Amino acid sequence: DAGVTQSPTHLIKTRGQQVTLRCSPKSGHDTVSWYQQALGQGPQFIFQYYEEEERQRGNFPDRFSGHQFPNYSSELNVNALLLGDSALYLCASSRSTPPIYFGEGSWLTVV
Amino acid sequence: AQSVTQLGSHVSVSEGALVLLRCNYSSSVPPYLFWYVQYPNQGLQLLLKYTTGATLVKGINGFEAEFKKSETSFHLTKPSAHMSDAAEYFCAVSDLYGNNRLAFGKGNQVVVIP
Repeated sequence: DAGVTQSPTHLIKTRGQQVTLRCSPKSGHDTVSWYQQALGQGPQFIFQYYEEEERQRGNFPDRFSGHQFPNYSSELNVNALLLGDSALYLCASSRSTPPIYFGEGSWLTVV
Repeated sequence: AQSVTQLGSHVSVSEGALVLLRCNYSSSVPPYLFWYVQYPNQGLQLLLKYTTGATLVKGINGFEAEFKKSETSFHLTKPSAHMSDAAEYFCAVSDLYGNNRLAFGKGNQVVVIP
C-alpha cells in the first residue's frame, strides 16, 4: 500500500515565477492538507481539500491556491514567488478522523 | 485557536538515558494529540496519537506519551535513548471538529551523545 506521494522532491524557481506541487494521498483517504515548513520551524497549515473543495484555509495569501481532483490527488500552486516562499511543502492525507499521514515533501528554493 | 508549546529547541541526551520531550497544548474542546518525528531531509512520520480512551499511548520505536488533561500536557518519553533516535520531534494538536487540521509546536531537535 503506497503512502502519501509528492512530486517533485526538489525544485529551484526564480522570484516572480509560479510553481505547482503535486500530491497523491494514501489509498482510501479522501482529505488532503498542505503545510509549509520553513527551515527550523514547525509545519504551518496552508489549506485543506475535501470533495474537490477547499474546506479550510490557514493564514496564507491568495498567491497560494490549490485543487483536488476526482481521484483525491491534489495540487498546490504558488504564484509570484517570493524569497520567503522557500520551504519544505508537505502534503498530508487522512479520512474523516485521525491518523494523518505525511508525504516526504517537496523542497522549494526561490532565488 | 489551538496551539502547542514545546520548550527547549535542542535537547541533548546520552545514549541509554531517558528521553523526555515536553508538550503543552491549548484547546477549547477535547483535543486529539500527536507526536511526529522528522529525520534529516525527510517528511513527518507518525510516532503515536491520542484521540480518546487510554491516556497512556504507546507508539513506534519504544516511545510513549501520556495525556494529562489537568496539566494540558502530552509529554513524550523513551526509557533508553538510541543513536537512531537523533531527529526532530514535533507535537501537534487537532480535535474532533477541526477536520484533521493540525497545529504544530516548533519542534525539539534531539541529539544523542554516545
